[in-house]
Amino acid sequence: KQEVTQIPAALSVPEGENLVLNCSFTDSAIYNLQWFRQDPGKGLTSLLLIQSSQREQTSGRLNASLDKSSGRSTLYIAASQPGDSATYLCAVTNSGYSTLTFGKGTMLLVSP
Amino acid sequence: SAVISQKPSRDICQRGTSLTIQCQVDSQVTMMFWYRQQPGQSLTLIATANQGSEATYESGFVIDKFPISRPNLTFSTLTVSNMSPEDSSIYLCSVTLGTGPTDTQYFGPGTRLTVL
Repeated sequence: KQEVTQIPAALSVPEGENLVLNCSFTDSAIYNLQWFRQDPGKGLTSLLLIQSSQREQTSGRLNASLDKSSGRSTLYIAASQPGDSATYLCAVTNSGYSTLTFGKGTMLLVSP
Repeated sequence: SAVISQKPSRDICQRGTSLTIQCQVDSQVTMMFWYRQQPGQSLTLIATANQGSEATYESGFVIDKFPISRPNLTFSTLTVSNMSPEDSSIYLCSVTLGTGPTDTQYFGPGTRLTVL
């Protein structure tokens, strides 16, 4: 059974800092990996999707890497802003299925 | 992309009652998914709802407790039956557009349920 772990559970940083969120998964036979952002009352928003054959994806100040063999992914946020404050969720899809296995998330607070 | 709406956005219910949550998508999709997020926990898949067939439930979830309807390709409902405080969670519906490794999953805003 796939298990996804995210570290740290919570993170508080001052505005402008670069930060890294970590995600690990137990079964390396993944189809893809997604990073989501969850804001209260707004559901989940997909930030980045990395296919199993890819090593990284970038979108603006966000960069996600994937090391499938070691079962790890990182989400790098550059020059953090208060608007980045949210819970960040990592989720994997195992080969051929559309259902996601989620981690518990990292709650990020960026202070002005 | 897909735009998903859910009703109600939140509710407070009494033990033993039932609540039906609605999910509407702005495009036709084959599969719709229902997830539960208990306080402090990750999202857990409840079931997959296909139009025209019975929903497929994950281990630990049963149809009697979480009956699902899927009358057409843009709509689904999830009922939480005979509720107890342990059912207090956020319930989210989602859809996947595409069938390949780049398919992105879209989520509704969620329904925050509190059972007293």
